Amino acid sequence: DAGITQSPRHKVTETGTPVTLRCHQTENHRYMYWYRQDPGHGLRLIHYSYGVKDTDKGEVSDGYSVSRSKTEDFLLTLESATSSQTSVYFCAIAPQSYEQYFGPGTRLTVT
Amino acid sequence: AQSVTQLDSQVPVFEEAPVELRCNYSSSVSVYLFWYVQYPNQGLQLLLKYLSGSTLVKGINGFEAEFNKSQTSFHLRKPSVHISDTAEYFCAVSRSSNTGKLIFGQGTTLQVKP
Repeated sequence: DAGITQSPRHKVTETGTPVTLRCHQTENHRYMYWYRQDPGHGLRLIHYSYGVKDTDKGEVSDGYSVSRSKTEDFLLTLESATSSQTSVYFCAIAPQSYEQYFGPGTRLTVT
Repeated sequence: AQSVTQLDSQVPVFEEAPVELRCNYSSSVSVYLFWYVQYPNQGLQLLLKYLSGSTLVKGINGFEAEFNKSQTSFHLRKPSVHISDTAEYFCAVSRSSNTGKLIFGQGTTLQVKP
């Protein structure tokens, strides 16, 4: 497996609270991505990064922010969690832009 | 913009039978194409990819896919499936010139029966 971990693996939180998910890699890959997986939608890109401090929005970025201050860490923050953000979140890393390796996922439940 | 349609949400098949999982895409620019597999409670694993060159792509676990530009399809095939192939399969596309943003299909659940 690619050296990619996500934390926490499971989280239950209440509506309106802030939540931060962490993606950590040991591969020194340039590209990192955050996706969410929902039934019937496959995976949808939230945000991605193409280098330290270089990030951009994906197709479902509303309500999410990201930061990448080090090559190895890519943080996803829900500033004020809503029930519609209940999902499974996957991080992916890529040495080139066209071959992504996925982490084990974080299951987030917003009550 | 690109889009991906997986034509079957579920495909039941008996062990040792052949299987085809269908994927169509739309794009006005050249693309890269991918198939990923997801086993229960796990992340996604890359099965195979088409970047350029031969239209028949071989991947891991005996899977292969054929890129058909005229029909904008990238169907996944395996000549003989095993119980262990039971999983969800995702087709994905990215523009060949961008930062690797993947657009996924909705997924196809392959259920292999004994």
